[in-house]
Amino acid sequence: GAVVSQHPSRVICKSGTSVKIECRSLDFQATTMFWYRQFPKQSLMLMATSNEGSKATYEQGVEKDKFLINHASLTLSTLTVTSAHPEDSSFYICSCRPVRGGSYEQYFGPGTRLTVT
Amino acid sequence: KQEVTQIPAALSVPEGENLVLNCSFTDSAIYNLQWFRQDPGKGLTSLLLIQSSQREQTSGRLNASLDKSSGRSTLYIAASQPGDSATYLCAVRISGGYQKVTFGIGTKLQVIP
Repeated sequence: GAVVSQHPSRVICKSGTSVKIECRSLDFQATTMFWYRQFPKQSLMLMATSNEGSKATYEQGVEKDKFLINHASLTLSTLTVTSAHPEDSSFYICSCRPVRGGSYEQYFGPGTRLTVT
Repeated sequence: KQEVTQIPAALSVPEGENLVLNCSFTDSAIYNLQWFRQDPGKGLTSLLLIQSSQREQTSGRLNASLDKSSGRSTLYIAASQPGDSATYLCAVRISGGYQKVTFGIGTKLQVIP
């Protein structure tokens, strides 16, 4: 149980285009979903926290107009990188927190490797 | 602001050796601490999770300890195998709010056959 999927696993896009990454909780409902990114040889950094049906909360330094997050249902969140640039190339990972009373466990997706050329 | 440090950054050991990975954090007001494994280009695999009230957790050849007051955790791997080669991440979840998770940069482990 507690499986999280991400799609696509890898994507290459041209500079200036937009890319959408999906995060799905497959066998549970997630009240809260988190988006992280990881640059080479660096730690995972939290980008934003989203609750179903409400606006995402972005971490300091993360542009909310560039990284659009939609958490439309309890099993799906999407991250759209708008007008992508080479410096946005990174590994993006989502995690999901189940709708379970008192539980703060997070389950991580397999990640999406974004390369912007 | 919580900061998580992992030492060493990289470690190379011969197969069969026991080893210890270290994690330290600056703010002891944590909810729990979790160790993950990350293979190159892949996502995270959860290894062990220690609640703030616990001192250690064990799973197979892995043992994780937590000393919250001193801000330290260790991951002990017994009888290392080449398949253990990966990057090991320590993550600390703070108490309160959204329970933000802060990751260390990881220790890259190579087990040589």
